[in-house]
Amino acid sequence: DAGVIQSPRHEVTEMGQEVTLRCKPISGHNSLFWYRQTMMRGLELLIYFNNNVPIDDSGMPEDRFSAKMPNASFSTLKIQPSEPRDSAVYFCASRESGELFFGEGSRLTVL
Amino acid sequence: DQQVKQNSPSLSVQEGRISILNCDYTNSMFDYFLWYKKYPAEGPTFLISISSIKDKNEDGRFTVFLNKSAKHLSLHIVPSQPGDSAVYFCRPPIQGAQKLVFGQGTRLTINP
Repeated sequence: DAGVIQSPRHEVTEMGQEVTLRCKPISGHNSLFWYRQTMMRGLELLIYFNNNVPIDDSGMPEDRFSAKMPNASFSTLKIQPSEPRDSAVYFCASRESGELFFGEGSRLTVL
Repeated sequence: DQQVKQNSPSLSVQEGRISILNCDYTNSMFDYFLWYKKYPAEGPTFLISISSIKDKNEDGRFTVFLNKSAKHLSLHIVPSQPGDSAVYFCRPPIQGAQKLVFGQGTRLTINP
């Protein structure tokens, strides 16, 4: 298995633009997590899906952020409009029951 | 209005023994709960959850018990290990548009 796959690996955009980050979890994993990592706040849980259903989105910082999981093999995290303070590395992770497997992250820079 | 309450801000346990962390809630309509673990300078990580249709959920060394009549849940860690030293939070699910907060958390320290 290729592991958790995230795209793009790097994204540089201008403030106000829409950003869409994508994640393909490990096949068979029924839980998917989106995290954001910054120097100031460390690793923050943004949202968590179980069987494609959003369970806990309390970490989503504000309405500009939205996440979807239309099927078991794909999820998106969208920021619209993006702001410079959204610059961070965004991680996707999946699990079946036990260890959490992380993707390699998407580094977002908003100018 | 705090919907979950962890009355013990800190707990110290000997390595190898059982750690029991408690959480009380007020809303009997909650249908599941989640426990998170947080190390210093890191974000909280999901640990274990329990649905209200069960009274127990076990995952390795971690077991969560739910007592619906008492509106009480507890997280048991056995055997406790030094790496379990962290702050533990319990929380209920999101209810509609309401943004819920974590409990105060319990700082667990495992002593060698």
